[in-house]
Amino acid sequence: TQLLEQSPQFLSIQEGENLTVYCNSSSVFSSLQWYRQEPGEGPVLLVTVVTGGEVKKLKRLTFQFGDARKDSSLHITAAQPGDTGLYLCAEPQGGSEKLVFGKGMKLTVNP
Amino acid sequence: GAGVSQSPSNKVTEKGKDVELRCDPISGHTALYWYRQSLGQGLEFLIYFQGNSAPDKSGLPSDRFSAERTGGSVSTLTIQRTQQEDSAVYLCASSIQGTIQYFGAGTRLSVL
Repeated sequence: TQLLEQSPQFLSIQEGENLTVYCNSSSVFSSLQWYRQEPGEGPVLLVTVVTGGEVKKLKRLTFQFGDARKDSSLHITAAQPGDTGLYLCAEPQGGSEKLVFGKGMKLTVNP
Repeated sequence: GAGVSQSPSNKVTEKGKDVELRCDPISGHTALYWYRQSLGQGLEFLIYFQGNSAPDKSGLPSDRFSAERTGGSVSTLTIQRTQQEDSAVYLCASSIQGTIQYFGAGTRLSVL
């Protein structure tokens, strides 16, 4: 089973700052998903990246997939308190599409 | 509601007791997954059901854990003789095979 390493594990920033969270592996990802989880809720899918070098944007969130498909990043521009949560990367594995998750990055955006 | 529903939302039990956790998937979703989220280990796959196929139990941590899915809909995760290390949030997700997994809010299990 592939291990997904996320960094940083914790981040506390002020409203308006930018941030980047990384997800890395020693093996090639088949595809990669990014989720956000708010306290007391389940994870919610933000985006799926499939092609090496792919860039996807979701409002103030920019997702990149490395050319070699071994790494991915999530960049948030002008963070807002509503961005607070746990950001997880995950890879679907096998025919069942069961997900292997990184340990996540806990983001706190202070007003 | 139209989402994945889990019950109870919180469960406190004593060490050695059995517990049952319930998941109602989104109607029409053929695939159902159980995951466990704990502080030290993050989010881990437990078991997967797809239609009438044999479940993928490869993530169950011990034989104290079992799950069933009746009529291709509701699923129950049972933990026998609970231990303190079983304390975690148990998340259920459902999907139409090969597509987005939708997660419930989870059951927070505390074993005293």
